[in-house]
Amino acid sequence: EAQVTQNPRYLITVTGKKLTVTCSQNMNHEYMSWYRQDPGLGLRQIYYSMNVEVTDKGDVPEGYKVSRKEKRNFPLILESPSPNQTSLYFCASSLDAGTSTGELFFGEGSRLTVL
Amino acid sequence: AQSVSQHNHHVILSEAASLELGCNYSYGGTVNLFWYVQYPGQHLQLLLKYFSGDPLVKGIKGFEAEFIKSKFSFNLRKPSVQWSDTAEYFCAVNTGGFKTIFGAGTRLFVKA
Repeated sequence: EAQVTQNPRYLITVTGKKLTVTCSQNMNHEYMSWYRQDPGLGLRQIYYSMNVEVTDKGDVPEGYKVSRKEKRNFPLILESPSPNQTSLYFCASSLDAGTSTGELFFGEGSRLTVL
Repeated sequence: AQSVSQHNHHVILSEAASLELGCNYSYGGTVNLFWYVQYPGQHLQLLLKYFSGDPLVKGIKGFEAEFIKSKFSFNLRKPSVQWSDTAEYFCAVNTGGFKTIFGAGTRLFVKA
């Protein structure tokens, strides 16, 4: 089954404790992206990756890091989480985000709470 | 900067009522337009999309949207909503690059 898998789905952590949210897709998509969803703000892009070893900042990259060492994986790293990073995070992938196949496929979401 | 505006943040309808959700974007060039739906507790999934051709596009579950280039709009419609349409709806725009910009979302609640 074609899917985007995120882990963990739920996480409560404390300020400053490094964490990683994993994302994996099995559709051989070149493009992957992270979004955060906050009430009234919709989805805001954090980082995206056009292909292996190619990443770029989205609209809200502060406090986050990413890496793309393999095509299928795109982890989101919070080196020193802060309470303002409490949010619902979605990973998405697409065959090619810049063409007619730019439909995004989303993971189930990871709800993160930073105390 | 490019942006997407959704006119209504919350909409409450009774079953069988007609639905229209507004979406406007700010970009003067070629765009790819999407509506995504997020059912309670679930991830976003594609409802319909427009790339070119007929400006009236049909999606899943009886939804349709009309692209009006002169108005920079891509409104979502459904003639008769059902309780199962209760969800949050997001309009999104891709301008041919690597960024898809989402609106703030519209929460639809359908009363049985």
